Amino acid sequence: QQQVKQSPQSLIVQKGGISIINCAYENTAFDYFPWYQQFPGKGPALLIAIRPDVSEKKEGRFTISFNKSAKQFSLHIMDSQPGDSATYFCAASKDTGFQKLVFGTGTRLLVSP
Amino acid sequence: DTAVSQTPKYLVTQMGNDKSIKCEQNLGHDTMYWYKQDSKKFLKIMFSYNNKELIINETVPNRFSPKSPDKAHLNLHINSLELGDSAVYFCASSPRDSILNEKLFFGSGTQLSVL
Repeated sequence: QQQVKQSPQSLIVQKGGISIINCAYENTAFDYFPWYQQFPGKGPALLIAIRPDVSEKKEGRFTISFNKSAKQFSLHIMDSQPGDSATYFCAASKDTGFQKLVFGTGTRLLVSP
Repeated sequence: DTAVSQTPKYLVTQMGNDKSIKCEQNLGHDTMYWYKQDSKKFLKIMFSYNNKELIINETVPNRFSPKSPDKAHLNLHINSLELGDSAVYFCASSPRDSILNEKLFFGSGTQLSVL
């Protein structure tokens, strides 16, 4: 049972364009939603995260939009750069004191020069 | 000065063998994890230890046995390796207090290939 559904599976964006990756979750107990970025041969690294008390969080060119009623959240990468080419994972967890992240299936982003 | 280091990076072995993957973190974190990433890049938690005690054990076959000699180390031993065990295994760590600092720090992964 996939608790966090992510789309698209892959994405090609021109340099300078906007990359948008979407996730939907099922468990209404989830209250922490991070995005991880993974480069080939490396482990995932936290990019940005949001809690449901806000609808948007921005850090530099990266923005998370969160829609609690629809149980959806998305990552927007503004002015996408070739260096942003990586696999992006959304995730969710319940804040029980220990992290048990449930990951989405990943989106492979390629930013063409 | 690597934060979470795991060895080996690559592990190629025959079916039926027993192998171990070692993980060490120098971040002073109390909690450590093992995640499995399959060929489709799907990441799933296997185990979590807090201060040497097992706190999360997903539905992982008994052939997989984590061992935490101290809170800075979490090793993964796999008995009777099967073809389906081929994957990338990631070690990770996080601080105890997830409310203040929820960040997971991942190692670079161990690519296990079972022939």
